Amino acid sequence: SQKIEQNSEALNIQEGKTATLTCNYTNYSPAYLQWYRQDPGRGPVFLLLIRENEKEKRKERLKVTFDTTLKQSLFHITASQPADSATYLCALGSGGYQKVTFGTGTKLQVIP
Amino acid sequence: KAGVTQTPRYLIKTRGQQVTLSCSPISGHRSVSWYQQTPGQGLQFLFEYFSETQRNKGNFPGRFSGRQFSNSRSEMNVSTLELGDSALYLCASRQGQSYNSPLHFGNGTRLTVT
Repeated sequence: SQKIEQNSEALNIQEGKTATLTCNYTNYSPAYLQWYRQDPGRGPVFLLLIRENEKEKRKERLKVTFDTTLKQSLFHITASQPADSATYLCALGSGGYQKVTFGTGTKLQVIP
Repeated sequence: KAGVTQTPRYLIKTRGQQVTLSCSPISGHRSVSWYQQTPGQGLQFLFEYFSETQRNKGNFPGRFSGRQFSNSRSEMNVSTLELGDSALYLCASRQGQSYNSPLHFGNGTRLTVT
């Protein structure tokens, strides 16, 4: 069955460092991958989308890579700030009318 | 533009009861999806509606149902509630069904079944 795994339940890093979050998937051939941020008590907020034929996408301090051979996406936050503390979710879709499936998320804590 | 609105924000029900949750999508968005979020399982897809038609359905029992109205507003119903149905129910809308359309989530309805 399709499976999406995100690394560890929590990731603690020092302010100013680069946070790297991992999303691995199996039994899936996604057309695209998305990353969302979720704060406690709120719904997820869309951050970035990367297509299967794209290797890397950037937006301000965020960078996403997508390796369909390794079946993995890496999500980087450079110069992290305490305000970046949240849970980050990756989501995959096969395109067309297919549903969007989410990973379980990684909780990031940026320590001042 | 107003975001996705879900009502009510919190709900407490007892086992065996039924519940209806409401979702108003962003104006102009014709697709509405519902997800169940629990600490152990994460976000689980329930169903998606587009122009009043159910396009996709997740692996939930028939007690979970939904519908979409002509104004794109959607409702989700859970009958014969069980303790395990306690969760955050999230609704998300998107403009179309293309992968270029990200999901816009509401802040959810927190359902507690006692």
